[in-house]
Amino acid sequence: SAVISQKPSRDICQRGTSLTIQCQVDSQVTMMFWYRQQPGQSLTLIATANQGSEATYESGFVIDKFPISRPNLTFSTLTVSNMSPEDSSIYLCSVEGTGEMTQYFGPGTRLLVL
Amino acid sequence: GENVEQHPSTLSVQEGDSAVIKCTYSDSASNYFPWYKQELGKRPQLIIDIRSNVGEKKDQRIAVTLNKTAKHFSLHITETQPEDSAVYFCAADTGTASKLTFGTGTRLQVTL
Repeated sequence: SAVISQKPSRDICQRGTSLTIQCQVDSQVTMMFWYRQQPGQSLTLIATANQGSEATYESGFVIDKFPISRPNLTFSTLTVSNMSPEDSSIYLCSVEGTGEMTQYFGPGTRLLVL
Repeated sequence: GENVEQHPSTLSVQEGDSAVIKCTYSDSASNYFPWYKQELGKRPQLIIDIRSNVGEKKDQRIAVTLNKTAKHFSLHITETQPEDSAVYFCAADTGTASKLTFGTGTRLQVTL
C-alpha cells in the first residue's frame, strides 16, 4: 500500500484564521479524498480531489470554506477557511490504491480552533 | 445517496470469545464493502474487505459475510484478544463512484 503523510500533524488556531493541510503520497494515485472526523464520530467525506479537475464536494461542504488543490498525482492540500470552534476535528486524506477500490488513510491532522 | 447503519455502537466481550458487528446499506448498486479498525489516536486501517460477487471472506481470525439480497454485511472476529480493542467502521461504496460511506462505528472492548 502507498505511504501517505500529512502536515501538520496537529495545530491550534484562532478563530477567523485559515489552515492549509498537506497530503503527500509516495506513488502516483488518481483518486484522493478528504475526510473529517469529529471527536468520537465516524468519518465524513468532504470532497474527492482528482488531478487536473475541480474537486467534487459532498452535501454540506462548499469550496469557499474548504478549498482543495490537486496540482499533481502525489500531492493535495485542503484549506479550512475562516475557522470557528466547530471546525475542531481530525482531517484525514485518503488515496485509492492503484487498480483497486481500497482506500488507504493518511495519519490525520488534529485541529483545535479556539 | 448511500446510507450505512452499523450496530452495535459498543460491544464488550471476554478474551477468547467471538465478536460480531453488523451493517446494513441502502444503495443496491454498492458492490464494495471494506472494514476498518481505528485504534485511539491512529488512522483507520483496512482489516478486510469483500466484493459483491463473494458471499464470505476469511483472513485468520477475521471473516466478513455479505448478503446482497438483504443488503447487509457483518464482521466476525473469533478468539478475541485485548489488542482487538478498537473502534471498527464498516463502509460501502456508492456503486457509481469510488467514494465510501462509513457506518457510525463500533467500539469493541476485549476484557481479560
